Amino acid sequence: DAKTTQPNSMESNEEEPVHLPCNHSTISGTDYIHWYRQLPSQGPEYVIHGLTSNVNNRMASLAIAEDRKSSTLILHRATLRDAAVYYCILSGSGAGSYQLTFGKGTKLSVIP
Amino acid sequence: DARVTQTPRHKVTEMGQEVTMRCQPILGHNTVFWYRQTMMQGLELLAYFRNRAPLDDSGMPKDRFSAEMPDATLATLKIQPSEPRDSAVYFCASGLVQGRTAGYTFGSGTRLTVV
Repeated sequence: DAKTTQPNSMESNEEEPVHLPCNHSTISGTDYIHWYRQLPSQGPEYVIHGLTSNVNNRMASLAIAEDRKSSTLILHRATLRDAAVYYCILSGSGAGSYQLTFGKGTKLSVIP
Repeated sequence: DARVTQTPRHKVTEMGQEVTMRCQPILGHNTVFWYRQTMMQGLELLAYFRNRAPLDDSGMPKDRFSAEMPDATLATLKIQPSEPRDSAVYFCASGLVQGRTAGYTFGSGTRLTVV
């Protein structure tokens, strides 16, 4: 399985932008880049996913490097509610599976 | 918003007892996952289904765990017999995959305690 590398933890001030990095140097051409987050005592929550082009939705933006070996999840204005563990996951059509394999993620703390 | 419903939310059972956890995926979703989360191991994929057929259950201890989808509206995860090391939060997730990946929706989980 293609692996991702994320920092263990990050801090951000409230109402400031947050850039969460993810390295995936062994990504294959058919792997999508997914981001999920898990708030305390809750199940994981889908944030965003993309293949090659940058993506925007109401929650966040996903910036994908041209060589696809890294990506960045951008929270435009962090709130206290964004404090969570953020997971960067590769999911693709290998064996037709599209499964999600979670790593340890990045624990984001938001400082008031 | 549509939700993945898991029951029960909490379960305390004695070692050796059978435990059944249920999941109602979102209507129309064709892919269902079962995950287990512990502090030590994080989120582990146990099994997953596509169009009710099991695709992979290699993450599941075969001697005591079983996962099924008797119909499109119900997925079950059974542990028999249960052991204290099975204590964890079990999550179900569903999504629609049609030749390309999709975002998956997770349930709120079943917190299992085996004493």
